[in-house]
Amino acid sequence: GQSLEQPSEVTAVEGAIVQINCTYQTSGFYGLSWYQQHDGGAPTFLSYNALDGLEETGRFSSFLSRSDSYGYLLLQELQMKDSASYFCAATGGFKTIFGAGTRLFVKA
Amino acid sequence: GAVVSQHPSWVICKSGTSVKIECRSLDFQATTMFWYRQFPKQSLMLMATSNEGSKATYEQGVEKDKFLINHASLTLSTLTVTSAHPEDSSFYICSAPSAGGRGETQYFGPGTRLLVL
Repeated sequence: GQSLEQPSEVTAVEGAIVQINCTYQTSGFYGLSWYQQHDGGAPTFLSYNALDGLEETGRFSSFLSRSDSYGYLLLQELQMKDSASYFCAATGGFKTIFGAGTRLFVKA
Repeated sequence: GAVVSQHPSWVICKSGTSVKIECRSLDFQATTMFWYRQFPKQSLMLMATSNEGSKATYEQGVEKDKFLINHASLTLSTLTVTSAHPEDSSFYICSAPSAGGRGETQYFGPGTRLLVL
């Protein structure tokens, strides 16, 4: 079957750096994506890794290790508006399965 | 980026009625669209893959006769919840993959909140 694991909650202070880990198990794995979802809203795409290594997009970076079936999302210079749920999602077999989500609380 | 719209954004209906939700790709063509359901504080659960010109592919445990999917054109997919019951109350979200179609980048609609009384 397909499954992803990520922490349920993370709390950090404004200006800090936080890392959200994700391990996955999926057949025909193609890549790992990250999405942000604020309460009441739809998910928005943050980043995607198909190859091993680090992808950087502004304050957000994402990492993938295919051999370890592991990835993480790194958020730097945290802002209050970053408080949201973050989902890792594995694409394989032409469909994408989402993890349970990590709720990030950013404190002042 | 690409834009996906959903209509309606909110639906309240009586138990036993059917509800149709539309998902449109506004500035690109989508031969494939995905339908997800999300209960409060839970993850997005893939319900089915909608394929233009052919039958939808349903995930295990999703009743195809209850959740009717029609991909009428390259820009429109519809999900009909037939004979809705209170347990069908949820947030329904559609998405369309970026060009290339493997689904690695998906553009999500704003979602439809369904409340069945």
